[in-house]
Amino acid sequence: GIQVEQSPPDLILQEGANSTLRCNFSDSVNNLQWFHQNPWGQLINLFYIPSGTKQNGRLSATTVATERYSLLYISSSQTTDSGVYFCAASRGDNLFFGTGTRLTVIP
Amino acid sequence: NAGVTQTPKFRILKIGQSMTLQCTQDMNHNYMYWYRQDPGMGLKLIYYSVGAGITDKGEVPNGYNVSRSTTEDFPLRLELAAPSQTSVYFCASSYSGLEAFFGQGTRLTVV
Repeated sequence: GIQVEQSPPDLILQEGANSTLRCNFSDSVNNLQWFHQNPWGQLINLFYIPSGTKQNGRLSATTVATERYSLLYISSSQTTDSGVYFCAASRGDNLFFGTGTRLTVIP
Repeated sequence: NAGVTQTPKFRILKIGQSMTLQCTQDMNHNYMYWYRQDPGMGLKLIYYSVGAGITDKGEVPNGYNVSRSTTEDFPLRLELAAPSQTSVYFCASSYSGLEAFFGQGTRLTVV
């Protein structure tokens, strides 16, 4: 299967700060997704981004498929951004998850 | 628009009992998946299906069974529950392996 590595594993930010989360994957993919798992355990779809750049409000993501990595940018962080961010990748049937980045935003 | 619906949300089982976790989706997706998430970890694939009548094993299939008789439903069966199966279970669906959508999860404790 595809190996998915995320960094950093943990991140603590002051409210208002910006951050970049990284996802490296071991093979070519036709699906790359970013999820936010909120404190209640729900998985929220952030981006479906097998290549290119997308933006949604304060969040944006870039995937460079040829170099096998994706970045998630969070600007002007808020306490509601806290939780675990997962990257997941697939080149066919199976969607493989990284171990996540745990983000804590302090007021 | 319900998306992916899982039932129950919580369950406590005794060792050796059996149960079925239900999953249904209303997006007409052909692919469906079952994952488990252990504390502090990412999600691991248990079983998946690419269409009605077709199922295949994922990374951690032991102790589980699935069936896919309709496009909408993909139940997960636990036989002879063990403490190692204490976890949060997520069902998901996608169109042909593209963007996947997840249910809200089932928190299972085996005691």
